Amino acid sequence: EPEVTQTPSHQVTQMGQEVILRCVPISNHLYFYWYRQILGQKVEFLVSFYNNEISEKSEIFDDQFSVERPDGSNFTLKIRSTKLEDSAMYFCASRGNRAFFGQGTRLTVV
Amino acid sequence: KQEVTQIPAALSVPEGENLVLNCSFTDSAIYNLQWFRQDPGKGLTSLLLIQSSQREQTSGRLNASLDKSSGRSTLYIAASQPGDSATYLCAVPGRDDKIIFGKGTRLHILP
Repeated sequence: EPEVTQTPSHQVTQMGQEVILRCVPISNHLYFYWYRQILGQKVEFLVSFYNNEISEKSEIFDDQFSVERPDGSNFTLKIRSTKLEDSAMYFCASRGNRAFFGQGTRLTVV
Repeated sequence: KQEVTQIPAALSVPEGENLVLNCSFTDSAIYNLQWFRQDPGKGLTSLLLIQSSQREQTSGRLNASLDKSSGRSTLYIAASQPGDSATYLCAVPGRDDKIIFGKGTRLHILP
């Protein structure tokens, strides 16, 4: 079965630092997403990306966040000036006729 | 605005029992529905996808049904095993293309 790959699996960063979370979506998919899940809470939508631009973003996805598809294969989420409350599991997904999710990056801000 | 509700929030059953997890959604204009499994601290594993034209899908001991008109889906697990212990999430696409998740049902199978 095709896979969405996320790296790193776990990232620890100091408050105020910038982090980049990386994802390799499934190659022939056109829709890409980032979601986050704070420990014990619901999986929340952050942003969707289609045709090399953001198609929708949630109210969580403020100026602190940005996404990029720097080449034909990678899809990144950058979080600037991280805060303690950014600690969560971040999931990347890509969609053809169904959505496939990566295994997530656990971000811990200390 | 699409909302997804899952009942119960948590469930404990003895090993070997059959069980049903419920999912409801407010906007019936969906083109598919997915059930996912999530182990503690882990990622999301897709279990079953039901297209809007289908009424059910089966994979091994899992059977998912979809009733679009009533905005409901069920996940039936037959002959439950301790390894089935996990959180089960229901998800539907929203009109605006994002995928909307329920809060999940935490399932614990007692050996």
